[in-house]
Amino acid sequence: QKEVEQNSGPLSVPEGAIASLNCTYSDRGSQSFFWYRQYSGKSPELIMSIYSNGDKEDGRFTAQLNKASQYVSLLIRDSQPSDSATYLCAVNWGYGNKLVFGAGTILRVKS
Amino acid sequence: DGGITQSPKYLFRKEGQNVTLSCEQNLNHDAMYWYRQDPGQGLRLIYYSQIVNDFQKGDIAEGYSVSREKKESFPLTVTSAQKNPTAFYLCASSILIWTSGRHNEQFFGPGTRLTVL
Repeated sequence: QKEVEQNSGPLSVPEGAIASLNCTYSDRGSQSFFWYRQYSGKSPELIMSIYSNGDKEDGRFTAQLNKASQYVSLLIRDSQPSDSATYLCAVNWGYGNKLVFGAGTILRVKS
Repeated sequence: DGGITQSPKYLFRKEGQNVTLSCEQNLNHDAMYWYRQDPGQGLRLIYYSQIVNDFQKGDIAEGYSVSREKKESFPLTVTSAQKNPTAFYLCASSILIWTSGRHNEQFFGPGTRLTVL
């Protein structure tokens, strides 16, 4: 059974703080990991992808991957109210092109 | 502009009626996908296609059908056999990496919201 688990939240952080979003997955064969941002009523938007253990930084976003622990996280620095959204973690299933999505974490950034 | 378009944005279906959702992409992507999203839930894969004239069932294919006659188009039909079709339907596409599945970045269209009357 392929599973991707996320805390549903909501995660509330003050403006300017670091938001930390976490995701665990069950398939040890997974090779590709993605974070999508989804605003209410809109479609998901890809914000980060990561394939190797360690950190990957892109602007205010940092993705962290630990394959041994089957854990991937997303850090958002200097959080802004516009970051308030649902963040979906997605993991590719084995060596195929299919993705399995978590249910998402709701992030609320309070000004 | 390159991208993925879905139509209609909103769709209302009567009981026992088949409806078709359109998905078109001009990104020259090989693979296309259909997902369903229910409130408070993640995306669930309905069907996917990696090449023209070929497609595979996802996790929740019952009550749905697809075709892939052109690389750019992947329409989804919601049949009367789908007992609970009210949901947000999302189409995605990606380049096709055969070797390890790396770099399988999927990009989504704006979605179609289907409601059963």
